[in-house]
Amino acid sequence: DIQMTQSPSSLSASVGDRVTITCQASRDSSNHLNWYQQKPGKAPKLLIYDGSTLDAGVPSRFSGSASGTHFTFTISSLQPEDGATYYCQQSNNVRQTFGQGTKVEVK
Amino acid sequence: EVQLVESGGGLVQPGGSLRLSCVASGFTFNTYWMSWVRQAPGKGLEWVAHIKYDGNEAFYVDSVKGRFTISRDNAKNSLYVQMNSLRVEDTALYYCARGHWGLKYWGQGSLVTVSS
Repeated sequence: DIQMTQSPSSLSASVGDRVTITCQASRDSSNHLNWYQQKPGKAPKLLIYDGSTLDAGVPSRFSGSASGTHFTFTISSLQPEDGATYYCQQSNNVRQTFGQGTKVEVK
Repeated sequence: EVQLVESGGGLVQPGGSLRLSCVASGFTFNTYWMSWVRQAPGKGLEWVAHIKYDGNEAFYVDSVKGRFTISRDNAKNSLYVQMNSLRVEDTALYYCARGHWGLKYWGQGSLVTVSS
């Protein structure tokens, strides 16, 4: 099974800051790596799929990149509404694995 | 508009059974894989199972293999998960979601509580 190690588990940043979250896969996941945002009491929202493709309607301040088994999610300029928990997810036909989540607090 | 509506959750004793349903609308159900994802209270997301669009293949996380069965009825635009031999650690909000790669659409979740 592919394990996903996501870090950090939480962070606190100010409005306008650049925020970076990483996920390390235990082996190649062929870039089916997705990023989700979840706010309290709500279902997760897909932000980025296939490593770097922004889902429709997602603000361009969100981005994703991939380098082998290392995946990075970036918020270029943190906004107040970005306070949430973010998850990476690798997926293939056989199984899916979520990272442990990163709680982002906006100061 | 895509909608996924789960039902069937509730309180069950350890060792008991429960069947969750998810009714889909707003898209061609029989052309999409479907997934169940759960979230224990205060915890992260955990994939449970997913099923191919024709129902001919299904895959499970190891912790539910042999206890849970995912199925679908394409004529009724419905997804199911039969949960047997439930354990306390199965307590969670269970979401159905469209797809098995990027999960763009999610239901609101159905709460399953396993407790004596």
